Amino acid sequence: NAGVMQNPRHLVRRRGQEARLRCSPMKGHSHVYWYRQLPEEGLKFMVYLQKENIIDESGMPKERFSAEFPKEGPSILRIQQVVRGDSAAYFCASSSPGSTNTGELFFGEGSRLTVL
Amino acid sequence: GDSVTQMEGPVTLSEEAFLTINCTYTATGYPSLFWYVQYPGEGLQLLLKATKADDKGSNKGFEATYRKETTSFHLEKGSVQVSDSAVYFCALTSGSARQLTFGSGTQLTVLP
Repeated sequence: NAGVMQNPRHLVRRRGQEARLRCSPMKGHSHVYWYRQLPEEGLKFMVYLQKENIIDESGMPKERFSAEFPKEGPSILRIQQVVRGDSAAYFCASSSPGSTNTGELFFGEGSRLTVL
Repeated sequence: GDSVTQMEGPVTLSEEAFLTINCTYTATGYPSLFWYVQYPGEGLQLLLKATKADDKGSNKGFEATYRKETTSFHLEKGSVQVSDSAVYFCALTSGSARQLTFGSGTQLTVLP
């Protein structure tokens, strides 16, 4: 019974490069959330997606960041032209439609991005 | 906006000691409250939750009571084990928001 799968677990990029983080939700889950955890801080909401739709992107930076959840395949968080301040742990979570409003999310192990 | 304030860590206890991790919140409306736990090398897992005032969430010997009058949701366990060593996050959802608002996390280390 696979949980939420994120890859890569660790990613190193130089300033100006692109970072792509992938997330496969738990089987049967059609809702995906991305959170970012900066050093010494809690998790901050970024975006909430359902298949082929962005439902809430109120936590996404206005520039360089984008997310998608296509009909087939994993959800992808894309960061263009990375800067050192993007270094963080990025967590993906999923939920089933029935638990969306209860706050019960299932998290992946996170992808740790380091920008040199 | 909504916010969660957690007791700063790290917290180090001996096995079988009593644990309290404080959590207070600010939210509009009537939030649901959660404790998530992150074991080393793993993702966050829901530990317990409470959806209305005076509810008590409990799981694996941990308990937390939703106190509306003090806007608190403190996590307690009567006798911790080495295997409880982890980072504990207090969180809430409120109103029509689907996303969780998290506290900064509290690192707990239990020594044998």
